[in-house]
Amino acid sequence: DTAVSQTPKYLVTQMGNDKSIKCEQNLGHDTMYWYKQDSKKFLKIMFSYNNKELIINETVPNRFSPKSPDKAHLNLHINSLELGDSAVYFCASSQRTGVGETQYFGPGTRLLVL
Amino acid sequence: QKEVEQNSGPLSVPEGAIASLNCTYSDRGSQSFFWYRQYSGKSPELIMSIYSNGDKEDGRFTAQLNKASQYVSLLIRDSQPSDSATYLCAVNFGNEKLTFGTGTRLTIIP
Repeated sequence: DTAVSQTPKYLVTQMGNDKSIKCEQNLGHDTMYWYKQDSKKFLKIMFSYNNKELIINETVPNRFSPKSPDKAHLNLHINSLELGDSAVYFCASSQRTGVGETQYFGPGTRLLVL
Repeated sequence: QKEVEQNSGPLSVPEGAIASLNCTYSDRGSQSFFWYRQYSGKSPELIMSIYSNGDKEDGRFTAQLNKASQYVSLLIRDSQPSDSATYLCAVNFGNEKLTFGTGTRLTIIP
């Protein structure tokens, strides 16, 4: 009974390829997020959607394009992959957008660009 | 630039002792504070949240917040080997996002 799920769990690909990561939450939450965790374990937000509307777009190359078909799903498409994109990408969700909201994380997608 | 700082460790604590993890943040207006635990190869999971000055206890865990000094700490009493993990401090600076520190790696020595 997974709350926040991501696919795939592992992704190994060549530089220049395009890939997508999918995220789904069954918690009934309104808000979803994408985070990137680098090799030094630094976790940084990339995007946030509230009920399918983009509300946070950090300084992320426009090769990264999020898409939320409905409030339970948030996908991340990456064009022209680069070596520096290798990281763990976490999806998260919270009940709503707000100061005190707890975020629940998915299991992560480990991306390795060769 | 709003920042959250943690000592990266590793912090080694004998089993049964108290582990003390500290976090400082840059903005006095910050409103909510979270401690996440992340085991190696796993996702972050929430341990504690705290919003008001003072202490908040949950089992073996106590979060302490001092807004005047801009620090938040996490105490783990009766440390167990299963507490060995990276602990991430996260702060909401009054906007819609969480800013994470780089984490402190804690090792409990049997």
